[in-house]
Amino acid sequence: DTGVSQNPRHKITKRGQNVTFRCDPISEHNRLYWYRQTLGQGPEFLTYFQNEAQLEKSRLLSDRFSAERPKGSFSTLEIQRTEQGDSAMYLCASSGSPGQSNQPQHFGDGTRLSIL
Amino acid sequence: SQQGEEDPQALSIQEGENATMNCSYKTSINNLQWYRQNSGRGLVHLILIRSNEREKHSGRLRVTLDTSKKSSSLLITASRAADTASYFCATARMDSNYQLIWGAGTKLIIKP
Repeated sequence: DTGVSQNPRHKITKRGQNVTFRCDPISEHNRLYWYRQTLGQGPEFLTYFQNEAQLEKSRLLSDRFSAERPKGSFSTLEIQRTEQGDSAMYLCASSGSPGQSNQPQHFGDGTRLSIL
Repeated sequence: SQQGEEDPQALSIQEGENATMNCSYKTSINNLQWYRQNSGRGLVHLILIRSNEREKHSGRLRVTLDTSKKSSSLLITASRAADTASYFCATARMDSNYQLIWGAGTKLIIKP
């Protein structure tokens, strides 16, 4: 179990640029989640994948945000035309060994996005 | 919107004392989970308690759940400096047990 890995750890970009983050979940986990967290707040759910299927998207996820999980392994989260309000920590988590329920989520250390 | 609300927002105690944090939520749940987050890091799962359970222990941690009051508490006994972190409760709704709804957390500081 190598844990959930997120890259990059930090991203600084100018307003209007596109950014892409990557998440590598724990290999046997079939569920993958993206969250956004701002300072002093808990995580806010963005989207959820079961294998390669994106089953849930929060209304927080505007059309500038897109997430993919090709082949049900790693996932990417892209933000197009970034805005100041996108500055936050973006967290990825995975869970769900087949046949088990009520499972905790395992988090990566996040990607901190700063928009100049 | 956040479902869970932690209380207090911040707690500062001396090393060796016990720390108690509370969480309230609004809807029926499948389970409630507590996580810890060190500054600048991801969240680490501590304990999961199912809706039909009332109390659970893990080492120095004790979690209670009162579904009639829609509340939970996390007790850390014999606190250590390394317990300094933010603690979050998260609830899994009955109709969507994969989506966790989070509170804003309790910031715990253990003074040596």
